[in-house]
Amino acid sequence: DTGVSQDPRHKITKRGQNVTFRCDPISEHNRLYWYRQTLGQGPEFLTYFQNEAQLEKSRLLSDRFSAERPKGSFSTLEIQRTEQGDSAMYLCASSVPKGLAPHNEQFFGPGTRLTVL
Amino acid sequence: AQKVTQAQTEISVVEKEDVTLDCVYETRDTTYYLFWYKQPPSGELVFLIRRNSFDEQNEISGRYSWNFQKSTSSFNFTITASQVVDSAVYFCALSEAGNQFYFGTGTSLTVIP
Repeated sequence: DTGVSQDPRHKITKRGQNVTFRCDPISEHNRLYWYRQTLGQGPEFLTYFQNEAQLEKSRLLSDRFSAERPKGSFSTLEIQRTEQGDSAMYLCASSVPKGLAPHNEQFFGPGTRLTVL
Repeated sequence: AQKVTQAQTEISVVEKEDVTLDCVYETRDTTYYLFWYKQPPSGELVFLIRRNSFDEQNEISGRYSWNFQKSTSSFNFTITASQVVDSAVYFCALSEAGNQFYFGTGTSLTVIP
């Protein structure tokens, strides 16, 4: 297994367009996380899944953001009607639970860099 | 208010010096978890350590050590005998008993040869 993969690595779009990013987690990992990272900042948690269930989505930035993980494997993050402020790196991570800890070590993908013109 | 504060934005040290990266967190939960991640210039975040709130024992892993003090809500990270390969941005993170995750703004460490 080569780790968490994300596609595309770079996306340039015009304001108002919709974009969708894909994340493929490490195969045996049942937890999948989405983050946004802007320059000079730490990752900002957006949402996470356990298998196909989206357990936390209150931190999604607006109703223009949505995420799915229909079969509990890969996940997609969609941004509708993009705005220039959406320009950022979007990171995906996956993990497996360990003991009672709600979150264990997360393995991060390389990210998708979004530029909204 | 920031849940995780990393007051040091940038640090530069000369190779072989020791360096400590500070992390202060804020939570009302009694059960929580603290993490450190490294983000090298290549960009991918790499997990370094996880501690739970019930285990205040300090941990050492090679040149890395962590000092967890609940009394001051701090979880500091020390690199001993720093090397050029340690140059990266280091993030401290907090996970509370709920399902959310909070990262600090990071400390950019430059090790000068």
